[in-house]
Amino acid sequence: DSGVTQTPKHLITATGQRVTLRCSPRSGDLSVYWYQQSLDQGLQFLIQYYNGEERAKGNILERFSAQQFPDLHSELNLSSLELGDSALYFCASSVGPGTSGRIEETQYFGPGTRLLVL
Amino acid sequence: KNQVEQSPQSLIILEGKNCTLQCNYTVSPFSNLRWYKQDTGRGPVSLTIMTFSENTKSNGRYTATLDADTKQSSLHITASQLSDSASYICVVRRSNDYKLSFGAGTTVTVRA
Repeated sequence: DSGVTQTPKHLITATGQRVTLRCSPRSGDLSVYWYQQSLDQGLQFLIQYYNGEERAKGNILERFSAQQFPDLHSELNLSSLELGDSALYFCASSVGPGTSGRIEETQYFGPGTRLLVL
Repeated sequence: KNQVEQSPQSLIILEGKNCTLQCNYTVSPFSNLRWYKQDTGRGPVSLTIMTFSENTKSNGRYTATLDADTKQSSLHITASQLSDSASYICVVRRSNDYKLSFGAGTTVTVRA
């Protein structure tokens, strides 16, 4: 158990719908990362927040948005869902902002949310 | 073209043997490089993180090397165990916009 929790574990929805994925980081971690993993694309970095502020942006679609709240939990909002959005969505957390090689930059991954868009 | 290329795509080794995985990258400017182990259907687990000034870093039977001049890294697994069967992913971070670039991974299968 990494200490990172994600809800829900599974989500089935229809095209055009909107869903919200939630992530609670490990106690004391300030960074939250979101990743998407689909069968044909591998692991893709979406976005990182550090202490409430957006820190880095990856291949995140405009239909997707995220935020980190004052209590440091984070939500990933996916809207106008398409079949191709079906994937495993991981959240990870770390103590630091991610730019050094120190131990506090180690990312701990949650169990993921499996999204199926029908 | 992916900025992080891993090889081989997959490999099969016998229990107790060693193996080496390769990661070549073009990401620039460079911040750090990470190796992850991912079991099927589970979140990745961090093995090592290395910055520009670090050449070698070990985590148990896993040893990563980094040559920042040639932009190459390797992950060496010593005395492989059945539990080492997993996908190993190389990730490089850019230092200006902090973006992370992922390799496609190397799938390692350890057989008894």
